[in-house]
Amino acid sequence: KNQVEQSPQSLIILEGKNCTLQCNYTVSPFSNLRWYKQDTGRGPVSLTIMTFSENTKSNGRYTATLDADTKQSSLHITASQLSDSASYICVVEGKSTFGDGTTLTVKP
Amino acid sequence: DGGITQSPKYLFRKEGQNVTLSCEQNLNHDAMYWYRQDPGQGLRLIYYSQIVNDFQKGDIAEGYSVSREKKESFPLTVTSAQKNPTAFYLCASSISAQGSQPQHFGDGTRLSIL
Repeated sequence: KNQVEQSPQSLIILEGKNCTLQCNYTVSPFSNLRWYKQDTGRGPVSLTIMTFSENTKSNGRYTATLDADTKQSSLHITASQLSDSASYICVVEGKSTFGDGTTLTVKP
Repeated sequence: DGGITQSPKYLFRKEGQNVTLSCEQNLNHDAMYWYRQDPGQGLRLIYYSQIVNDFQKGDIAEGYSVSREKKESFPLTVTSAQKNPTAFYLCASSISAQGSQPQHFGDGTRLSIL
């Protein structure tokens, strides 16, 4: 069964701290892996996309990594801000398999 | 500004009633999608359309119907056959259904049972 599993399910950090969100997948065939940010009550917004051959991609304070051999991706957030509070969703494209998301809360 | 507009933002359904959720995009995208999101769960694909007058069932199409008469519009009807319709519904579009095209999402419609 094609699956995308994200961890942790939820995370609380203090403003200014860094954090890393995990995404493990078993989806095959693999197309691309995308991370979305979803604010409460809003639609998801694309943060990064990674192809099979890419290891790291950054978008401001967001850095995504991909290890295609172990089928793992991570999203690292640097110097967190209150506005980073949201759900972060990992998606393996091709079959558009969505993870359940990690809910991040940044506290002052 | 280009984007996807979903309406209404909140919708209530009575038992035995069909309701229609609106989705309009002015991005000139060929592909459009409907997803259902339940608390703590990933998005699940209901229907998608790659071109006008054509649409395909997704993973959870039972109890739902769609039409694609215009490129910019992809309404979703939640029929009385859908016994558990309470959820957050998201419409999305992409330039095409092929390749690494990002999906642009609307801000959703929250449907509840009265």
